[in-house]
Amino acid sequence: DQQVKQNSPSLSVQEGRISILNCDYTNSMFDYFLWYKKYPAEGPTFLISISSIKDKNEDGRFTVFLNKSAKHLSLHIVPSQPGDSAVYFCAASGWDSNYQLIWGAGTKLIIKP
Amino acid sequence: KAGVTQTPRYLIKTRGQQVTLSCSPISGHRSVSWYQQTPGQGLQFLFEYFSETQRNKGNFPGRFSGRQFSNSRSEMNVSTLELGDSALYLCASSLANRGHPYEQYFGPGTRLTVT
Repeated sequence: DQQVKQNSPSLSVQEGRISILNCDYTNSMFDYFLWYKKYPAEGPTFLISISSIKDKNEDGRFTVFLNKSAKHLSLHIVPSQPGDSAVYFCAASGWDSNYQLIWGAGTKLIIKP
Repeated sequence: KAGVTQTPRYLIKTRGQQVTLSCSPISGHRSVSWYQQTPGQGLQFLFEYFSETQRNKGNFPGRFSGRQFSNSRSEMNVSTLELGDSALYLCASSLANRGHPYEQYFGPGTRLTVT
């Protein structure tokens, strides 16, 4: 049973526009959420995180929104740049997973010039 | 501060052989996790070691094993290799304390090809 779902395998966005990547989770005990970015043949790189006590966290061009009632989070990238083309993974953790990170399958973001 | 290092970066083995991969975490990080990534798949969690003890384990067969040394360096071993073991193996380290809830920092991975 997938506890963290990224339902869009890929997303194509024009350079300069907003990219919105979505993630749903099923476990209400998750209390910390993270986004990672991964280029081919490299390890994932930590981007941004959010605690369940917040509903928004911003870091430069990246903003993560958390809707606990809907068990949904999203990553907004504004403005999108060519270097943002990568696979984005959503991950979640909580005390009942022994704080192990539970990962989504990833969304491939393609920024078109 | 040096990042997570993994050796070797690339490896070619034949079916039935065994392989050992190595990971050196960021200095001060006590938790090391291992993941398998195959084409089109997300990150499949193998196991996590903390202070030389396996703390979490994913759903992989017993052919996959690991260990952690007192300096936090970790090794992963796969015995009796199968073609399906061909993948990118990623190691991640973290501080693993409540002040930094499990932000993990990844190495570049070891690309294992089984022929």
